[in-house]
This record gives sequence, structure tokens and C-alpha cells, in this order.
Amino acid sequence: DVKVTQSSRYLVKRTGEKVFLECVQDMDHENMFWYRQDPGLGLRLIYFSYDVKMKEKGDIPEGYSVSREKKERFSLILESASTNQTSMYLCASSFRGTIEAFFGQGTRLTVV
Amino acid sequence: RKEVEQDPGPFNVPEGATVAFNCTYSNSASQSFFWYRQDCRKEPKLLMSVYSSGNEDGRFTAQLNRASQYISLLIRDSKLSDSATYLCAVNPPGGSYIPTFGRGTSLIVHP
Repeated sequence: DVKVTQSSRYLVKRTGEKVFLECVQDMDHENMFWYRQDPGLGLRLIYFSYDVKMKEKGDIPEGYSVSREKKERFSLILESASTNQTSMYLCASSFRGTIEAFFGQGTRLTVV
Repeated sequence: RKEVEQDPGPFNVPEGATVAFNCTYSNSASQSFFWYRQDCRKEPKLLMSVYSSGNEDGRFTAQLNRASQYISLLIRDSKLSDSATYLCAVNPPGGSYIPTFGRGTSLIVHP
């Protein structure tokens, strides 16, 4: 079974803090994605990566950055957390050439 | 027009009912389609892929209508445990393989 693991289920951070969300997959997938999910807005793509050290902006990259130093790991960084970044963050991965994506369990981030 | 659209529902049905959801997509060149299920406060999980010829898995049937640009998910003999949000995923314009998701359709199956 594909396993996508996110480092935290729940996280509470203060405004202005730098926040790191980690995601690791064990299926040698080339593609990795970070989404956020908010009520009524669905899944919105923040960043994605096709390969190690490669990254592309998604639909809502502002206030975020990413890092992919190893194929299995994709990190999302909130440079200076703000209250409007309170959300459910979902990491996903897939093989190149398919949209069949597998999700991590999600991180529910609250910024106070 | 949004790339992928779904009726948010909720669809409220009794146990044993048959229920169907549609998902419309804007890009006529889309080739890949999937249905996901998402339980409350959990991650989306792959439910089934949608092939041109249709796909059936037990009580679930997925179909593709290219002419009208929509996919459908039919659930027969609904169970209480089918209560969830159902998301469709489509590959976006340009041939990339970034899943574009609909906002989901909420299903509530009641006794």
C-alpha cells in the first residue's frame, strides 16, 4: 500500500512564526503536491513538484514556499504564519503520467 | 466557468436507495478521471477510476460522457457507511498531470 505520511495531525502556531510541514511518501512517486482545503472552497493547489529540487507554483502560492531535497520528501514552509493560513493542509503524491494521487492524513493548522 | 464543477449537495437519501452524482469538466481534452471519497476531517481516498467504457466496483458504477463532458458516480443500495463527500478529479488543460478537484458532493445516508 502507498503510504504518504505528514509529520503532524494538528498544529497550533502563533502569527509571524515560521512553520514547516513535512510530507514523506514511500512509493518512489515522482510527483508531489501540497493542497489546502477550506470549507466551501475545496482543494486548492499551493505548490507541486515533478522531481527532486524542482517546484512549480500552484494556484495560491503566496505566503508559502516548498523544498524537495529528496525524492520521498516534500516540505511546505509558511514563511510568516498569518491567521488566514489556518486551514487543513494535505500532501499528495503520484507517479509521473497519472493523476491517481494518494494523500497524507492531513495537518490541521491553526494560527493564533 | 470553473474547470471542474460538482453540486455540493447534501444529497440526503434513505438506506437502500440509489443515488447518482455528476461532475462536469471544462476541458474537452481531459483524459484522466477519478472519484475520491472523503470522510469528515479525513483525507481524500481514491474510490475508483473512470474509464471510457465505464467502471463498476460492487455497488459503485462510474461512467464518462465525453459528449456532454461529465463523469458520474452511481451508488446502489446505499449504506449508512457511504455517508461522505465525493470528490471528482480531472487532469487540467495542457496535458499536465496535476489533479484538479471538484469541491465535492456531500452524501448523507439515513436509516
